[in-house]
Amino acid sequence: AQSVSQHNHHVILSEAASLELGCNYSYGGTVNLFWYVQYPGQHLQLLLKYFSGDPLVKGIKGFEAEFIKSKFSFNLRKPSVQWSDTAEYFCAVNAGDYGQNFVFGPGTRLSVLP
Amino acid sequence: DTGVSQNPRHKITKRGQNVTFRCDPISEHNRLYWYRQTLGQGPEFLTYFQNEAQLEKSRLLSDRFSAERPKGSFSTLEIQRTEQGDSAMYLCASSLTSRAGIGYTFGSGTRLTVV
Repeated sequence: AQSVSQHNHHVILSEAASLELGCNYSYGGTVNLFWYVQYPGQHLQLLLKYFSGDPLVKGIKGFEAEFIKSKFSFNLRKPSVQWSDTAEYFCAVNAGDYGQNFVFGPGTRLSVLP
Repeated sequence: DTGVSQNPRHKITKRGQNVTFRCDPISEHNRLYWYRQTLGQGPEFLTYFQNEAQLEKSRLLSDRFSAERPKGSFSTLEIQRTEQGDSAMYLCASSLTSRAGIGYTFGSGTRLTVV
């Protein structure tokens, strides 16, 4: 069975600090990888996704993530966070071409201090 | 069509009562998914439909839970004899393609509180 772990439960940063949120998954086959963001009171929104090709993926709002297959990792990064990035971030995996549902990690709450 | 719509936004019910939630997907989407999210956790998959056919159910979907999508458009999720452990956010999502993850849109959820 697939599982996803996220390294930090709550991260607190000051504006302009750099961000890296860890994500590791366990699954032996081909996976698709995703990061979702949930702003307070809003629905889950896709930040970025990886299916194949360049392991460095760029998403919206200046976020990027790197897939390292040997480490089963898909860490999310942003060079300079803003107060508006305060949200909950979820890493998710989906099994190959035919997996219909996501397995989500427990989430990391990011608080950015102005 | 602005997205996936879920109603109600919040439901408070007494233990033992039945509740029903509704999800209206994006109109051209033929796939519809239900997830449950408890506090401090990521969403967990419950079930999904392709058109009106329910194709997969998670072991989390106990006998007290039933989901329908009678005409392949909106879907309902019913919980019978609610328990306090059912308190959670129930999320609906829809998509069009068979390529998982593409065009997958979530609704804002229905928050259930069982007292």
